[in-house]
Amino acid sequence: QKEVEQNSGPLSVPEGAIASLNCTYSDRGSQSFFWYRQYSGKSPELIMFIYSNGDKEDGRFTAQLNKASQYVSLLIRDSQPSDSATYLCAVKGGSSGGSNYKLTFGKGTLLTVNP
Amino acid sequence: EPEVTQTPSHQVTQMGQEVILRCVPISNHLYFYWYRQILGQKVEFLVSFYNNEISEKSEIFDDQFSVERPDGSNFTLKIRSTKLEDSAMYFCASSEELLAGAETQYFGPGTRLLVL
Repeated sequence: QKEVEQNSGPLSVPEGAIASLNCTYSDRGSQSFFWYRQYSGKSPELIMFIYSNGDKEDGRFTAQLNKASQYVSLLIRDSQPSDSATYLCAVKGGSSGGSNYKLTFGKGTLLTVNP
Repeated sequence: EPEVTQTPSHQVTQMGQEVILRCVPISNHLYFYWYRQILGQKVEFLVSFYNNEISEKSEIFDDQFSVERPDGSNFTLKIRSTKLEDSAMYFCASSEELLAGAETQYFGPGTRLLVL
């Protein structure tokens, strides 16, 4: 059974700081990694995806992937109160005939950015 | 910007009744999905659908559930004989492709289902 683990938080950072969100996954063959943001009562909203080891930057967001350690992270620079939400890590694909279709989500990390 | 839409936004039903949740995926997308999220829990995969058939389903997606694409735009999830534990937010999602770079799944706003 594939598992995706995240610290549930809450992670509290002051406005303007860097927020660091972490995720580990159990299936070493996983191929695609996604970060979604979910405001309370709303649907997941894509922030970014990453496939290759290393860093990928998009505006204030940087995703980092380390397949050897089975670890994905999301950095949010210059955090704003509007970034306060639950951040979901999702993983797709895997070994042993792993799915090309479904996303396996972590439970999410609640981020609070304090003004 | 194209988006996935879902109706209704909220649905209240009595235990044992049937419900149909509706979704309109993004128009050029080929792959469609249903997920659910019980309050306070993870988003869980239910089923994926491609070329008018189920491509994958989870253990949750038992005989109580069915999906259909009745026309060129709608994608529905039917839940027969609802149970209390079916109360959840149900999300529809769609993706353009399965290949890297076009596989991102975009989620609709969800239908909150409450079974009494």
